[in-house]
Amino acid sequence: NAGVTQTPKFQVLKTGQSMTLQCAQDMNHEYMSWYRQDPGMGLRLIHYSVGAGITDQGEVPNGYNVSRSTTEDFPLRLLSAAPSQTSVYFCASSYWAGSSGNTIYFGEGSWLTVV
Amino acid sequence: AQKITQTQPGMFVQEKEAVTLDCTYDTSDQSYGLFWYKQPSSGEMIFLIYQGSYDEQNATEGRYSLNFQKARKSANLVISASQLGDSAMYFCAMREGRRGGSNYKLTFGKGTLLTVNP
Repeated sequence: NAGVTQTPKFQVLKTGQSMTLQCAQDMNHEYMSWYRQDPGMGLRLIHYSVGAGITDQGEVPNGYNVSRSTTEDFPLRLLSAAPSQTSVYFCASSYWAGSSGNTIYFGEGSWLTVV
Repeated sequence: AQKITQTQPGMFVQEKEAVTLDCTYDTSDQSYGLFWYKQPSSGEMIFLIYQGSYDEQNATEGRYSLNFQKARKSANLVISASQLGDSAMYFCAMREGRRGGSNYKLTFGKGTLLTVNP
């Protein structure tokens, strides 16, 4: 059981390049999300999905695209990278279990530098 | 909108002593959940403890306990018998309790950097 797998772990991009951060989960969770973490701040939600074919914007969506064609995968696309997108990116998956318990699982993070 | 406030950018504690990390939250929802995560220097997010808004007892997980004061909207993390390996960044986070997209969205505080001294 791999949990939530993010690739790549480290990436350096040039300004204007495009790339995709991959996220896959093998727990059949309905919900997946992408967060970014900048120095001195907690994680902020970029985009999320409540099921295959359904995505929505979070707090900081500009410059990022997502799609959810399968339950397992939720890639994050940077169409034209900017230095402001230098950050650590976390993917998470979760499921509904009422109001109790921890049901959120994080990937190990992807360190992205845009030069 | 939900908001999490962690007022301690950094904390120091002696090994084997207890330490309390503060967290206050703001929400208009009656149903919500509160989380604490540990982020060591290696960067991964490690789940520590969870408290539901309707849970009558404070959550405990080993050396971690959550001091939940609903009327004050505070959810402080207490680490007993600190160890050198506890040195890390600690984040408080909250989610709404209703099913749907909002249930799965976490709102994070800015974190507290804990340093355990030998």
